[in-house]
Amino acid sequence: EAEVAQSPRYKITEKSQAVAFWCDPISGHATLYWYRQILGQGPELLVQFQDESVVDDSQLPKDRFSAERLKGVDSTLKIQPAELGDSAMYLCASSLDPGALRGYTFGSGTRLTVV
Amino acid sequence: DQQVKQNSPSLSVQEGRISILNCDYTNSMFDYFLWYKKYPAEGPTFLISISSIKDKNEDGRFTVFLNKSAKHLSLHIVPSQPGDSAVYFCAAGRGTYKYIFGTGTRLKVLA
Repeated sequence: EAEVAQSPRYKITEKSQAVAFWCDPISGHATLYWYRQILGQGPELLVQFQDESVVDDSQLPKDRFSAERLKGVDSTLKIQPAELGDSAMYLCASSLDPGALRGYTFGSGTRLTVV
Repeated sequence: DQQVKQNSPSLSVQEGRISILNCDYTNSMFDYFLWYKKYPAEGPTFLISISSIKDKNEDGRFTVFLNKSAKHLSLHIVPSQPGDSAVYFCAAGRGTYKYIFGTGTRLKVLA
């Protein structure tokens, strides 16, 4: 079964440092999402791409977060500088079309700990 | 303001019995609803969905019920199995766009 690949699985970084996460969606999935899940809460959408274009980044803290999907395939999410409150699970998901009723396919996530 | 709420953080059920997980939403414009299951150290896995034109959708042991007037949906698992032990998230969206997730309910099925 096709999977969404994410790396790294775990990341520990000091505050004020830069950190980056990578996601490779399922082949052919035009829509890609980055979610953040803080412990005890549900996933929160950070950014949505349709091919290489950003469709929604209204919840992305743009002063420190950036996301790109240059060729409309894999994507990178960056945080600079990292803050203690950024500690969370960062989930990437993809789908054939936006908001597909079949749901998104999520990757296993990157667990970020900022110390 | 939380638009999608799962008021029960945890639920324990005996194996073979019915598990009922509940979800409430506030935005009457939501018309698509999903349930995801999440095991530790894994990403959420899509389980079942329902659109607002239906009030019930069934897939094997899983059934989702939608009560639009009450802005409430529920997931029924019958019979519950130990492998169903996980965190369950409901999600709601409008026009199949930008699903908003609830905070999750941790289900424990006791053998």
